[in-house]
Amino acid sequence: QQQVKQSPQSLIVQKGGISIINCAYENTAFDYFPWYQQFPGKGPALLIAIRPDVSEKKEGRFTISFNKSAKQFSLHIMDSQPGDSATYFCAASRSSYGKLTFGQGTILTVHP
Amino acid sequence: DAGVIQSPRHEVTEMGQEVTLRCKPISGHNSLFWYRQTMMRGLELLIYFNNNVPIDDSGMPEDRFSAKMPNASFSTLKIQPSEPRDSAVYFCASSADGLAGETQYFGPGTRLLVL
Repeated sequence: QQQVKQSPQSLIVQKGGISIINCAYENTAFDYFPWYQQFPGKGPALLIAIRPDVSEKKEGRFTISFNKSAKQFSLHIMDSQPGDSATYFCAASRSSYGKLTFGQGTILTVHP
Repeated sequence: DAGVIQSPRHEVTEMGQEVTLRCKPISGHNSLFWYRQTMMRGLELLIYFNNNVPIDDSGMPEDRFSAKMPNASFSTLKIQPSEPRDSAVYFCASSADGLAGETQYFGPGTRLLVL
């Protein structure tokens, strides 16, 4: 199974709030889980990534939480800012193969 | 570094015409990926090259699509003949070592409209 399921499809948050996006995968061979951020008219750009040897990774206001047994991972954006308004994609791959399978994306809108 | 370079940025063509999309990966990167993005299907991997050799082309929709990578600094994605359902944004991405799971860097995309 190669699917990565992402939710919600869209999310509206007030400035300063916490944005949470969830993803679930099926393939237990996946061992690399990146999140990409895409602004309108631009290509996706890597935001943060995690491997299953840790349950959490934090970079600034962005945190990935990983639950290997549940085959789920999530992105938390603390103190959300209007500049965070973008589409966020989770993805998964076998690092020895390199092919990323993307979730469907979440459109995040942060109101000032 | 200039990043991944794609051309053209926009293409409008008529059904039945040949379309060629071009990509220059980041210098030194050995893996190149072609993706298609649509509202309905999201981001789909079409084909993946490693050291100029196609590794996985299972995402190529049909025989109308073909991709080449004649050298480490250039790749093309060709659609012949084009159809309206091919309208999408096509992204090229490169990574330093795709087989080691290195970060993929995306280009700005080519927005294709087939009338």
